[in-house]
Amino acid sequence: DTAVSQTPKYLVTQMGNDKSIKCEQNLGHDTMYWYKQDSKKFLKIMFSYNNKELIINETVPNRFSPKSPDKAHLNLHINSLELGDSAVYFCASSPGGLGNSPLHFGNGTRLTVT
Amino acid sequence: GNSVTQMEGPVTLSEEAFLTINCTYTATGYPSLFWYVQYPGEGLQLLLKATKADDKGSNKGFEATYRKETTSFHLEKGSVQVSDSAVYFCALSDQGRGGGADGLTFGKGTHLIIQP
Repeated sequence: DTAVSQTPKYLVTQMGNDKSIKCEQNLGHDTMYWYKQDSKKFLKIMFSYNNKELIINETVPNRFSPKSPDKAHLNLHINSLELGDSAVYFCASSPGGLGNSPLHFGNGTRLTVT
Repeated sequence: GNSVTQMEGPVTLSEEAFLTINCTYTATGYPSLFWYVQYPGEGLQLLLKATKADDKGSNKGFEATYRKETTSFHLEKGSVQVSDSAVYFCALSDQGRGGGADGLTFGKGTHLIIQP
């Protein structure tokens, strides 16, 4: 069973479009995250949700909107896509609590904006 | 703020060579330290971790020791294999702030290439 699954794996779209990426975890974790990995492999946190409440929004443009219908799901909706949004987006989850718990990552969604 | 610095890659080694990937950190609290590995086309997988000073994390022949005095967490392996080729990320979590919701602060990753 896949612990953290995200769909789609690949997403190719044109500038100006709106798209969504879905994420689900079956680990019973309380906290979920979205990370962005750029072309140089640098990872930066975008959002963190703990029990459906937004904890972090690290200077992300408001075109990006996370939605958490329940604690097992954290979807990412992106409006008015731009070329610079091209990247790999990773969903992750952790048990929460003290920060010594590792994160469990999905396999990523490669977004290409043309 | 928190930060992680790791050596730039790519690092190219021959099979059975000794591996060291350097990692140093800056943190305001009492961080836990992690190494993650990313194989091509996949997500990040936890390789090992250490939660307090002098702890040694180990897994699959890899080791790293949490050195508070030098703020380092260098990754080592005695004899690398072609299958170890991947990108390796050092990361920290500032557990002093609690909640776990701050996620991890990652280094920029080191691309390791092992040649047969």
